[in-house]
Amino acid sequence: NAGVTQTPKFRILKIGQSMTLQCAQDMNHNYMYWYRQDPGMGLKLIYYSVGAGITDKGEVPNGYNVSRSTTEDFPLRLELAAPSQTSVYFCASSYSGLDQETQYFGPGTRLLVL
Amino acid sequence: RKEVEQDPGPFNVPEGATVAFNCTYSNSASQSFFWYRQDCRKEPKLLMSVYSSGNEDGRFTAQLNRASQYISLLIRDSKLSDSATYLCVVKHNFNKFYFGSGTKLNVKP
Repeated sequence: NAGVTQTPKFRILKIGQSMTLQCAQDMNHNYMYWYRQDPGMGLKLIYYSVGAGITDKGEVPNGYNVSRSTTEDFPLRLELAAPSQTSVYFCASSYSGLDQETQYFGPGTRLLVL
Repeated sequence: RKEVEQDPGPFNVPEGATVAFNCTYSNSASQSFFWYRQDCRKEPKLLMSVYSSGNEDGRFTAQLNRASQYISLLIRDSKLSDSATYLCVVKHNFNKFYFGSGTKLNVKP
């Protein structure tokens, strides 16, 4: 299993540009998440999905959009990039079973908006 | 008020020392609790879940106090490889996870 994969690893955007961060998991997990981590800070939830076709906002959704057309993929779209969106973005997945859930993270995408 | 609060550290300890980290959470309805480890410029990885009765995994012991809304992590016999940032994580309903800002640990020879 590859686990959770993210592309690209690093990207520089100009203000106002848009891009899609890709995330895929091959563990058949129903839950998927997008977080951002600013320097010296904890992770903040942007969006999450409980299954294909279902998404919901987290703590910091403004400026982002997501879709979940398949169980495996959960892309994050940035429209009109702003310097405040410079961060490291982590995608994660988990399986909601009867016991406590473990989140598995991808390696992250470092985004710089200039 | 932050959902999860941690002392950012850094905690600088010699090899072999015992070190303890604490974490408080604000939502009394929180359901599940975890400690994650994050190495520099890497993704977080689960260290251990935290159960109400307390639990131990080798040199690591986690405790939960629901009445005080307080979670702790104790590391015994610290190794150089324990140097990392330790993230306290709390889960609410609908699988919403809240992360603390992390406590940095430096274990020195």
